Amino acid sequence: GAVVSQHPSRVICKSGTSVKIECRSLDFQATTMFWYRQFPKQSLMLMATSNEGSKATYEQGVEKDKFLINHASLTLSTLTVTSAHPEDSSFYICSARVLYLGSEGADTQYFGPGTRLTVL
Amino acid sequence: EDQVTQSPEALRLQEGESSSLNCSYTVSGLRGLFWYRQDPGKGPEFLFTLYSAGEEKEKERLKATLTKKESFLHITAPKPEDSATYLCAVQANAGGTSYGKLTFGQGTILTVHP
Repeated sequence: GAVVSQHPSRVICKSGTSVKIECRSLDFQATTMFWYRQFPKQSLMLMATSNEGSKATYEQGVEKDKFLINHASLTLSTLTVTSAHPEDSSFYICSARVLYLGSEGADTQYFGPGTRLTVL
Repeated sequence: EDQVTQSPEALRLQEGESSSLNCSYTVSGLRGLFWYRQDPGKGPEFLFTLYSAGEEKEKERLKATLTKKESFLHITAPKPEDSATYLCAVQANAGGTSYGKLTFGQGTILTVHP
């Protein structure tokens, strides 16, 4: 199957600090990864599309300078929350796009386990 | 704008009581409709992809079907371990740098009591 990992799984930081979250595809290469944010009892909200070797595409309303995305290799994308504030506290989830994986179908996103960010 | 609406918001079942979850969608050209399962505090787990009206897919006690306007996730004889939030998402035939992105519904919280 397609396995995606995230690190760290949980982080607590002080207001004003920056936090980096890593998303890795473990057994496949992903030219495209996605970053989502999820608030309690709500669905996933797409923040940005990360393409290997190019700049990320951000959804409307997402601050590019606040949420820095780097997709430097085919197996790693990072999300850096700069100068984090309490309102940035959330559950951040990445996904990696697989164009074809046997019988499970074409163009599917596989998700990481998520990172719980708490900003004090 | 692509939209996905799931119903009901929450569903409580007794073990063995079969039921269905609904996902209604509007999209500018459907590339694929996806079902995921999400347990509390975890990322979504892929279940199915459906591509065209009339298509059906099964996995254990779950069966997903697709029409031109909606999808159903049928759960047959559910067990307590089937309790989770079930998410529906659509992918449009759109180009550009966000190609492949998913639009999610709000999810249905399923609770199966023993």
